[in-house]
Amino acid sequence: EDKVVQSPLSLVVHEGDTVTLNCSYEVTNFRSLLWYKQEKKAPTFLFMLTSSGIEKKSGRLSSILDKKELFSILNITATQTGDSAVYLCAFVIIIQGAQKLVFGQGTRLTINP
Amino acid sequence: ETGVTQSPTHLIKTRGQQVTLRCSSQSGHNTVSWYQQALGQGPQFIFQYYREEENGRGNFPPRFSGLQFPNYSSELNVNALELDDSALYLCASSRRMGYFTEAFFGQGTRLTVV
Repeated sequence: EDKVVQSPLSLVVHEGDTVTLNCSYEVTNFRSLLWYKQEKKAPTFLFMLTSSGIEKKSGRLSSILDKKELFSILNITATQTGDSAVYLCAFVIIIQGAQKLVFGQGTRLTINP
Repeated sequence: ETGVTQSPTHLIKTRGQQVTLRCSSQSGHNTVSWYQQALGQGPQFIFQYYREEENGRGNFPPRFSGLQFPNYSSELNVNALELDDSALYLCASSRRMGYFTEAFFGQGTRLTVV
């Protein structure tokens, strides 16, 4: 069975710190890895990674996928209070013709001023 | 904010009752997926609808059923509600192509079963 484990489950840091969130997996035949930010209800899309070793960047956020060691990380530099949220990683797999997302349990990030 | 809308936003039901949740997909999107997110967990795939047919189902019993309409909006129906059905229900719309395109989530419906 596909398994996605995120760590840490919870993280509290001060504004300006850099954080690294981890997503390790045992998922076969996935198409892509996605990162989402969930503040209240709707997860909002951050990144999609399909290839190993290629870093994706968007402002202060960056992410990399390692298909050999079976993990992905999400880095956030110069954190701000608005970065406080639950961060979810998800794998896109095909099941019965449908594209299904398999999520980790999330990392709750709290940025204190 | 995405163009995916869900209704209602909150709902309280009694064990044994039935509930219908609704989702309007984003313009141009033809696929709707439903997810259940229990407190402190990541979303779990329930099923996906494409061209008005279910095409892919997660590990949920048959009392979870759905519909997709010609305008690509969708409904999730849950019969014989159980306490464990209390969760945030999210729908995600996407455009099916030969490859994965990002899915946009609605704000969700918070269902409480008492």
